[in-house]
Amino acid sequence: DTEVTQTPKHLVMGMTNKKSLKCEQHMGHRAMYWYKQKAKKPPELMFVYSYEKLSINESVPSRFSPECPNSSLLNLHLHALQPEDSALYLCASSQSRGVKNIQYFGAGTRLSVL
Amino acid sequence: AQTVTQSQPEMSVQEAETVTLSCTYDTSENNYYLFWYKQPPSRQMILVIRQEAYKQQNATENRFSVNFQKAAKSFSLKISDSQLGDTAMYFCAFTGTNAGKSTFGDGTTLTVKP
Repeated sequence: DTEVTQTPKHLVMGMTNKKSLKCEQHMGHRAMYWYKQKAKKPPELMFVYSYEKLSINESVPSRFSPECPNSSLLNLHLHALQPEDSALYLCASSQSRGVKNIQYFGAGTRLSVL
Repeated sequence: AQTVTQSQPEMSVQEAETVTLSCTYDTSENNYYLFWYKQPPSRQMILVIRQEAYKQQNATENRFSVNFQKAAKSFSLKISDSQLGDTAMYFCAFTGTNAGKSTFGDGTTLTVKP
């Protein structure tokens, strides 16, 4: 099983809403990532968790709040987003943070902020 | 900091023909990996091929092969016998010793025409 599952697939939210994105993997991977991707652009790294600890935070606004409840789950809590936050949010996992590791990506959550 | 440059925003190729996507990078690191990822329209990103910087032999995966020129910091992807399913955006990525943080190029949109 090389699958990273993201839910929901689509999300529309207002600027005052609170919502969460969920990511799950059962490959035994110990590194998990959140990326933001705009259309026709490369993914931009937001957060990296390694062994359930936040190891990289790319100066993401505090309206994005990551959480890693266990080694299989990764959440991204959203609050008071702006229209410019509309994008495809990708989750990925890898065996560890080692330099050679392949990242396995989920299909993403397409977020629209109204 | 490392940079990854993909100079061809869009390319097209006829089915069954061969196409080469270019990628150059800049780094002062010695230990690193290079990756090509494929993102088909509305589908998840997957690994195409991976190359370790210390290996002189070019990586090959079925119809996909790379031309890795370490001194020139070049890492091109050759797709032989192109198929309609190869239509996708292709990202070149670099992962160095600052593990867990990949640098992606801007991508090349490849269209395979019947």
